[in-house]
Amino acid sequence: GAVVSQHPSWVICKSGTSVKIECRSLDFQATTMFWYRQFPKQSLMLMATSNEGSKATYEQGVEKDKFLINHASLTLSTLTVTSAHPEDSSFYICSAGQPGGSYNEQFFGPGTRLTVL
Amino acid sequence: GQNIDQPTEMTATEGAIVQINCTYQTSGFNGLFWYQQHAGEAPTFLSYNVLDGLEEKGRFSSFLSRSKGYSYLLLKELQMKDSASYLCAAMDSNYQLIWGAGTKLIIKP
Repeated sequence: GAVVSQHPSWVICKSGTSVKIECRSLDFQATTMFWYRQFPKQSLMLMATSNEGSKATYEQGVEKDKFLINHASLTLSTLTVTSAHPEDSSFYICSAGQPGGSYNEQFFGPGTRLTVL
Repeated sequence: GQNIDQPTEMTATEGAIVQINCTYQTSGFNGLFWYQQHAGEAPTFLSYNVLDGLEEKGRFSSFLSRSKGYSYLLLKELQMKDSASYLCAAMDSNYQLIWGAGTKLIIKP
């Protein structure tokens, strides 16, 4: 399968600061990237879907001004958690694919564990 | 509405066979996916079915019945490392994945 990387793997930050997470598709061009959040012992929750070169589509209840998504190229998407608070502490996972194209399945990055103090 | 149902938890014995069922309701259908997720890790892709029938891949097989909105993941010769959550996801007409809550599989020696 295709390889998706995520950076950083984990990050600890102070409340009020911003954190940027990068998601890269290493060996294929991802027309669509997805950002998920997962709290301990809970299922994946889709936050937003981003298509290269266009604005992200956010799921209901996800603040677009707080979770900034940029998908500037077919291999890179970034999620910036602005003014992070302890309740934003979670496991953030990106995935990449080509829905309707060569890669209907989503390939996941290894995830980023965010802890906000 | 769109919905995925799968059991919350299952227990099986090492060396045995286990079947994890999934039923789905989606607006349109572009395939059914199974992912494996170990605790603290991201999901990894296991299988994709878009046509009716059984797809076999080593110890893992996945079955789909589109008319029944039903799929199952079959795991044979269970190993301790198969202890994980198994996520069922259906792709709707917009190519959006609708995720189940996952089935936690516990393997006992």
